[in-house]
Amino acid sequence: DTAVSQTPKYLVTQMGNDKSIKCEQNLGHDTMYWYKQDSKKFLKIMFSYNNKELIINETVPNRFSPKSPDKAHLNLHINSLELGDSAVYFCASSQEISGRAGNEQFFGPGTRLTVL
Amino acid sequence: GESVGLHLPTLSVQEGDNSIINCAYSNSASDYFIWYKQESGKGPQFIIDIRSNMDKRQGQRVTVLLNKTVKHLSLQIAATQPGDSAVYFCAENWAGGSYIPTFGRGTSLIVHP
Repeated sequence: DTAVSQTPKYLVTQMGNDKSIKCEQNLGHDTMYWYKQDSKKFLKIMFSYNNKELIINETVPNRFSPKSPDKAHLNLHINSLELGDSAVYFCASSQEISGRAGNEQFFGPGTRLTVL
Repeated sequence: GESVGLHLPTLSVQEGDNSIINCAYSNSASDYFIWYKQESGKGPQFIIDIRSNMDKRQGQRVTVLLNKTVKHLSLQIAATQPGDSAVYFCAENWAGGSYIPTFGRGTSLIVHP
């Protein structure tokens, strides 16, 4: 059973296109996240949703729009893709939003986005 | 072997050696810390965590040490195995106010058979 799943695993597209990445978790968690990992493995949070409500939006261009249709899903839509958007995008979930002990995050396998 | 996550991103050790991966965190208000392991082509995976009211916590072959005075975390892996080869991240957060998980730079551990 996959706890956090993402589709697609690879995404190659042209500059200027619009694309979406889907994420689903079957852990019953309340909180979901999107991270961007660059070529140097630096992992930076982009968004966090708690019970379908946006909690964190970390200075991400408004070309990136997360959508949470329900607690188990957090999709990422990207408009007008740019070369600098090329990265690996990870979805994650945790039981709740707080920093309480035991509230570790469970990550999906990642989506490698390449913008040509 | 020993590595500072922010300045020496790669640590090479021989199989069977003990490894020490270091991490400097930024927020003195952080009270919960997690180490993650990321294998090639996969997402980060939880290894071990520690609350700020502790200075040491042990798991299976791994030990995390916390020094709040100098805002420093370390992950010790005993008898390192080739399967331990991965990138290791520390993450910090705090319970007061907004919880924004912040990941450290990452250290690549390479274990030679």
